[in-house]
Amino acid sequence: DIQMTQSPSSLSASVGDRVTIDCQASQDISNYLNWYQHKPGKAPKLLIYAASNLATGVPSRFSGGGSGTDFTFTISNLQPEDVATYYCQQYDYLPTFGQGTKLEIK
Amino acid sequence: EMQLVQSGAEVKKPGESLKISCKGSGYSFSTNWIGWVRQMPGKGLEWMGIMYPGDSDTRYSPSFQGQVTISADKSISTAYLQWSSLKASDTAMYYCVKRDSSGPFDYWGQGTLVTVSS
Repeated sequence: DIQMTQSPSSLSASVGDRVTIDCQASQDISNYLNWYQHKPGKAPKLLIYAASNLATGVPSRFSGGGSGTDFTFTISNLQPEDVATYYCQQYDYLPTFGQGTKLEIK
Repeated sequence: EMQLVQSGAEVKKPGESLKISCKGSGYSFSTNWIGWVRQMPGKGLEWMGIMYPGDSDTRYSPSFQGQVTISADKSISTAYLQWSSLKASDTAMYYCVKRDSSGPFDYWGQGTLVTVSS
């Protein structure tokens, strides 16, 4: 299995802040990396696919980057509605998720 | 509009069997991979497995191989997740997911809560 290590596991930031989440793969996965947002009581939502591509309808304050084993997810200008848990997921072979990052507003 | 609609919440006893469903609409069910993701209480997302309804090709996470069965009936655009003998540790929310041709899970069902308790 390819292991995905996300950091931090939780994070608190203020409205308007820039927030970054890291995700590291246990082996080279090229750009086969997606990011999802999961709000309580709702289904997860695809935000970023293929490491850096914004999914349809996703606000431009969300972005992603990286390749190989190291990836980042950024929210610029954090909004109250961004409170959620964020997951990276690799799909180089059998998919695996990172352990999640819980984002709260200060 | 593309949708995945899952069956309702279930409460079962240990040892019982269960089959939950996920009906796809608004896209070609047979030619898109469909899978399942588990979320145990207070935990993260875990990919369980995926099936291509067109030819029934099925892949399982090693963690779930032999523990569950994924199937589909393409005539009614419905995928299934099945247990033959539930355990308390199967208590979780289960999501069905459609995989985009390029790889990401672009559509998710609303989730089915399975509670296993004596």
